[in-house]
Amino acid sequence: DTGVSQDPRHKITKRGQNVTFRCDPISEHNRLYWYRQTLGQGPEFLTYFQNEAQLEKSRLLSDRFSAERPKGSFSTLEIQRTEQGDSAMYLCASQFRAGTDTQYFGPGTRLTVL
Amino acid sequence: AQKITQTQPGMFVQEKEAVTLDCTYDTSDQSYGLFWYKQPSSGEMIFLIYQGSYDEQNATEGRYSLNFQKARKSANLVISASQLGDSAMYFCAMRGFGTGGYNKLIFGAGTRLAVHP
Repeated sequence: DTGVSQDPRHKITKRGQNVTFRCDPISEHNRLYWYRQTLGQGPEFLTYFQNEAQLEKSRLLSDRFSAERPKGSFSTLEIQRTEQGDSAMYLCASQFRAGTDTQYFGPGTRLTVL
Repeated sequence: AQKITQTQPGMFVQEKEAVTLDCTYDTSDQSYGLFWYKQPSSGEMIFLIYQGSYDEQNATEGRYSLNFQKARKSANLVISASQLGDSAMYFCAMRGFGTGGYNKLIFGAGTRLAVHP
């Protein structure tokens, strides 16, 4: 399978715990995006990388959130001291280059904070 | 500011019939791109179709076509010959301008389509 992959698919954690999600983009896609989707809503942009550089962060990305993309390949999204409001689907997407190219999404990681 | 509006929370269609899902957008840009994605219950966002603001013809991809009316700022998705597997959430999106240029996608709230046998 050469699509975007995400791991884990589901994560249940207790409030206050730290969680980390991983995204592997399509090979040779130099742009990688993270979105968050809460129940009944469309995805909302969190952050994106061009290669290893994080070029933009949404105001939704509080200081408890951090994302990395070492070496410009896979990316991780970490949430520290999780809160119940963090419960959502976290979607990763990759794009070959800037401009008109389509963003292709992974299957998402569904986070439930108890 | 850019915004996508999908006014139909839910739609029903009979199998083999055509259905139109509405999308209106707001932007002050002259050049922009519009997308439709399908999200089945599994959660993955599946790209369906793209329309550029300067494209002279409406985009088509198999059973999907985009009814693009630039003056009305609408980009409705038409699904012909509906199939049971088309039952899903459908999201309209446009490319949003951010740091360094156009990057993030801005999504509408979505329309849930149910196809009945």
